[in-house]
Amino acid sequence: AQSVSQHNHHVTLSEAASLELGCNYSYGGTVNLFWYVQYPGQHLQLLLKYFSGDPLVKGIKGFEAEFIKSKFSFNLRKPSVQWSDTAEYFCAVTRVQYGNKLVFGAGTILRVKS
Amino acid sequence: EPEVTQTPSHQVTQMGQEVILRCVPISNHLYFYWYRQILGQKVEFLVSFYNNEISEKSEIFDDQFSVERPDGSNFTLKIRSTKLEDSAMYFCASSDGGYSYEQYFGPGTRLTVT
Repeated sequence: AQSVSQHNHHVTLSEAASLELGCNYSYGGTVNLFWYVQYPGQHLQLLLKYFSGDPLVKGIKGFEAEFIKSKFSFNLRKPSVQWSDTAEYFCAVTRVQYGNKLVFGAGTILRVKS
Repeated sequence: EPEVTQTPSHQVTQMGQEVILRCVPISNHLYFYWYRQILGQKVEFLVSFYNNEISEKSEIFDDQFSVERPDGSNFTLKIRSTKLEDSAMYFCASSDGGYSYEQYFGPGTRLTVT
């Protein structure tokens, strides 16, 4: 089935460790790609997005993601995490010319130990 | 910064009752969405709404569900006869329909059907 997959449901890191969260999608054609974050008790917020152009996109709070079309991947990275990055991270996709609905991955809960 | 608001934050209802979940999208936005997340599952698209009509709906959005924009500011989701399996967090989102199609999410309403 066509979907969005996030590889890890729970990740625990120590502060200053590097982060990479995997995201793969299985749709053909042109897609728009997003990473959303949900901090404890807060609503979903956009971290970054990719529509076209440079496949390496930079978002807020030092996050970046790389779109690799051949691998159908859009992995999220941060070189050095902080305790305040503890949150749930969602990868999401919209398919161009198929409406604007977001299709979400299952989410990855990141816990950063101080 | 403008934000999407939702009321109530938590609603408890008995099976078979009607519920109305309310959302106030960002004021200059034109596209409106409802998503839901059953505990432990993915965020799922329910419906999108533009120009006073439904533009897309998922298979979840059956005859028990309806949406309305009763005035210039509110966007509501009605569930006519709630079932136990309707228990979920319901998120409203809006976008301005511009090229980025970024969707801004509200904090969600937790619906508990007993």
